[in-house]
Amino acid sequence: GQNIDQPTEMTATEGAIVQINCTYQTSGFNGLFWYQQHAGEAPTFLSYNVLDGLEEKGRFSSFLSRSKGYSYLLLKELQMKDSASYLCAVRTDSWGKLQFGAGTQVVVTP
Amino acid sequence: EAGVTQFPSHSVIEKGQTVTLRCDPISGHDNLYWYRRVMGKEIKFLLHFVKESKQDESGMPNNRFLAERTGGTYSTLKVQPAELEDSGVYFCASSPQGSYGYTFGSGTRLTVV
Repeated sequence: GQNIDQPTEMTATEGAIVQINCTYQTSGFNGLFWYQQHAGEAPTFLSYNVLDGLEEKGRFSSFLSRSKGYSYLLLKELQMKDSASYLCAVRTDSWGKLQFGAGTQVVVTP
Repeated sequence: EAGVTQFPSHSVIEKGQTVTLRCDPISGHDNLYWYRRVMGKEIKFLLHFVKESKQDESGMPNNRFLAERTGGTYSTLKVQPAELEDSGVYFCASSPQGSYGYTFGSGTRLTVV
């Protein structure tokens, strides 16, 4: 079947590193997105991978392996404001339709 | 530029009533998407407009849901009559033609009691 799996919750200490894994099995693949969502707010774009490899953007990096159906989001030098839900989403067609995972709640502790 | 605007931000209605949600996309964005998150579940696709035309409405749950996009600008999503299972957060997103990413609105939290 079609699914996108990511852990429900992760806890890490301020200043540490956290890696959020996402595995997917979808009917189509036109890229993978990571979004950050704070409670009650809009999901905001973090990264987009369409080719295999690592994309780095400041404290955030995202990796994709299409053959393995696997991605991860790496958050470095964690800050309290990074406490949020992180959503893995696969673009399943050329029109932009997204299929989402349930999200990973990251809790950053002092 | 102004972002994607949705209103109301919250709506509480009784089962059987009608509710209309509105989305104002970023000006000039041809693509407009509706998504929904039901409690405890993932965000799910409802439909996609390109300008005023429905390109894909495969995610619409049933015929109680009606979406329109007047003149290719703002969009409305009407639920009539609302059922308890329609409760959730309804998100709208928009993107320009040919862009891979899009901008989400903050959502409308709909509670049907």
